[in-house]
Amino acid sequence: QVQLQESGPGLVKPSETLSLTCTVSGGFITNYYWSWIRQPPGKKLEYIGYIYYSGSTNYNPSLKSRVTISVDTSQNQFSLKLNSVTAADTAVYYCARLTPLAPVGNDHYHSFDIWGQGTMVTVSS
Amino acid sequence: DIVMTQSPLSLPVTPGEPASISCRSSQSLLYSSGYYFLDWYLQKPGQSPQLLIYLVSNRASGVPDRFSGSGSGTEFTLKISRVEAEDVGVYYCMQALQAPRTFGQGTKVEIE
Repeated sequence: QVQLQESGPGLVKPSETLSLTCTVSGGFITNYYWSWIRQPPGKKLEYIGYIYYSGSTNYNPSLKSRVTISVDTSQNQFSLKLNSVTAADTAVYYCARLTPLAPVGNDHYHSFDIWGQGTMVTVSS
Repeated sequence: DIVMTQSPLSLPVTPGEPASISCRSSQSLLYSSGYYFLDWYLQKPGQSPQLLIYLVSNRASGVPDRFSGSGSGTEFTLKISRVEAEDVGVYYCMQALQAPRTFGQGTKVEIE
């Protein structure tokens, strides 16, 4: 059974870089898309971006200038870096797997079917 | 971005009774092949979200058949035929038609 586990600092200073890693266990990172999603306190979920195991990425335009998602297939991990953080970046950060669940035309429909437990990151001096 | 609007935001329910949550999108979620790109997720207290329904009406693996989804265009509904105590939490709809994927504000379901 595939499981995801986020890790990284729980406190980041304003203007610095938030760095998180998601470790995939119970399965391989290959052949899937891997995502980051966050949830500020009391607010709704926000999609950050995803990476394919081969390295291609897609980012939310609202965060694109500050976000980098990378993958390390040898470690079965993928990572998130968000630079120049402010208090508005305080949130629970989730990693999730985007899985092809159904054929749609010449492609497949993907949903977030496996999530990590989430990690709270606070931006404060 | 496509804006997702859910109603109600809070839903007191009685075990054994049905419940329904609505989700409206700011534009049609119709994909060219005739599918509507919408998911439903449930975030139980203290847990991460879990996939309930994909492509409007398909239950994810392990999801009880008391959950059903329907809708088209910009109007979608999640129904629970008979609510159980374990169904409490916050339900989110999410559109997958257009990047970036966007979520509704959430509907908090709690036992009356």
